[in-house]
Amino acid sequence: SAVISQKPSRDICQRGTSLTIQCQVDSQVTMMFWYRQQPGQSLTLIATANQGSEATYESGFVIDKFPISRPNLTFSTLTVSNMSPEDSSIYLCSAVTSGSINEQFFGPGTRLTVL
Amino acid sequence: GESVGLHLPTLSVQEGDNSIINCAYSNSASDYFIWYKQESGKGPQFIIDIRSNMDKRQGQRVTVLLNKTVKHLSLQIAATQPGDSAVYFCAERYPGFQKLVFGTGTRLLVSP
Repeated sequence: SAVISQKPSRDICQRGTSLTIQCQVDSQVTMMFWYRQQPGQSLTLIATANQGSEATYESGFVIDKFPISRPNLTFSTLTVSNMSPEDSSIYLCSAVTSGSINEQFFGPGTRLTVL
Repeated sequence: GESVGLHLPTLSVQEGDNSIINCAYSNSASDYFIWYKQESGKGPQFIIDIRSNMDKRQGQRVTVLLNKTVKHLSLQIAATQPGDSAVYFCAERYPGFQKLVFGTGTRLLVSP
């Protein structure tokens, strides 16, 4: 298994500001992903974080709003830019590790509230 | 706790009962399916998975059934315990991709 940590665990931000969320995995990773979970809803994939290249975004999500970095195999960041109250959600990092071909592990999430 | 699951369908059972949670998936070509459990304030936790070439798989107290004809997945939990109370999500993996598409989720409430 893998242990995934996220920082911060929660934050309250003002409209128009940006927040960067960090994700760290404790083992070798093949793939990393970022999901959004709006209140009372399921998980929606934002993007696949690619090491050393631009992330691959899903429909409805764009790089200007959600820039993603992945400088190495085990670390990624997601920035929520120019925030509005509609961005209030839980943001989750996940990873598929080298030792588990199929199993996708999730971090504890970052709960973001935008005022 | 976190507000995960406030507006999701809810299944209420008594401790010791068997629980069945259902899920309809979207892509008939999906090759892999997973059930996750999400407790309040935590990320989803892997429970059990099944490949598309199987129709049943059993774990400890849990069984997953796959019906590809109607694109339906179910999770059966035997002798449900209060610690099983959580939101349960199914997820499907589209062929050729590692990314997962999640179902809407079901909140399971277990009364002692």
